[in-house]
Parts: sequence; structure tokens; C-alpha cells
Amino acid sequence: EAGVAQSPRYKIIEKRQSVAFWCNPISGHATLYWYQQILGQGPKLLIQFQNNGVVDDSQLPKDRFSAERLKGVDSTLKIQPAKLEDSAVYLCASSLMSGVYEQYFGPGTRLTVT
Amino acid sequence: RKEVEQDPGPFNVPEGATVAFNCTYSNSASQSFFWYRQDCRKEPKLLMSVYSSGNEDGRFTAQLNRASQYISLLIRDSKLSDSATYLCVVNNFNKFYFGSGTKLNVKP
Repeated sequence: EAGVAQSPRYKIIEKRQSVAFWCNPISGHATLYWYQQILGQGPKLLIQFQNNGVVDDSQLPKDRFSAERLKGVDSTLKIQPAKLEDSAVYLCASSLMSGVYEQYFGPGTRLTVT
Repeated sequence: RKEVEQDPGPFNVPEGATVAFNCTYSNSASQSFFWYRQDCRKEPKLLMSVYSSGNEDGRFTAQLNRASQYISLLIRDSKLSDSATYLCVVNNFNKFYFGSGTKLNVKP
């Protein structure tokens, strides 16, 4: 079974530029998550989708971050404009359903903002 | 107060040692619990779910104490390959909260 796919794996941009990340979850998984992981910290949930609807985006900085999952399968996360403090690994995860089901993570996108 | 708290470590142990980590959570209504393992510059991977009755998988044992609101992970006969960061994860009403992780270094 294929795992969660993410691209790109690495991205370096200058502050105030925009960037987009892509995620394709495990086939059949209804729930998709985007996390931000800053070095030395645990992952922090940015947004959670159930199929193509948003379940939780309370920690998403909506003035600069946006995400969509239009057909209930793959998803994109965008940052515009980027700030230095956005340097982190952006992890996508999926689970069969929300709730008690375990999550499976993609390899992440390492973003460096200079 | 953080939803999930862990001792960041590092725990430096020799091969063959037994080591235990605890993780405390703040919401008594939390519904499910997990331990994830994260290697340096890699994504988190599920190690085991934690059930009310406790569960064991080879050298790894996880326990849940709802009264004191903590979960634990015990690793017996540590291997060099167990060196990693161990993340405690708690689910509250469909929201997952991650601890900052406990770093384990197993030395020869």
C-alpha cells in the first residue's frame, strides 16, 4: 500500500515570497491533516479536513496560510507571504476517519525562509 | 497549560538497559492515546496505540493511567536502533495533540 506522498521535499524561499506544498493521502483515507513542526518541537496541527470539508483550522494563520482539498483526495497548503518564522517542516498526515484512528505521515516538506 | 507534556530528555542509556518515559495530559476527557517514534529528519511513525488495559509489542509496553492522566512507554533490552525521539499523542474530540517528544540515545 502506498504511503502519504508530499512534494516538494525541500524548498528555500525569501521572505515575502509565496510557496505551495502538495499532499496525496493514503487511498481511502477520509481525513487529512497538515502540521507544522519547528525544530525541537512536536508537530502542531494547522488544519484538518474530513473529505473536502474543514474540521478544524483554529491554529492556521489565516492572514497568510490557506489550504484546500477540493475533491476530497489530495490537498495543497499555501503560504503567502512567507515570514522567517515559517521555516519548519510541513507534514501531511492521513487517517481512515477522524477520531481514534491512528495517523500516517508523509515525509514532509522542509521549508527554509531567508 | 499544555495539552500534552513530556520530559525532553535526552535519556542516555547503554544497550540492553530498560528505559521508561512518561507523558502527562491535561484533558481528563481525552479519548485515545498513541506513541509515535521520530528519527532525526524523518516523519513520525506510529509505534503503538495505548489501550486502557495496557498493551505490549515485543520489547515495548505502553500503559495508560486515567486517574493520574499519564501514559507511559517502557522499552526493555534497548537496542542502538531504538535511538530516536518518542512523541506522545493524545486525541481530544477528534483533535490530535502532540507532545514535544522525549529523546532517547542508546549507546554501545
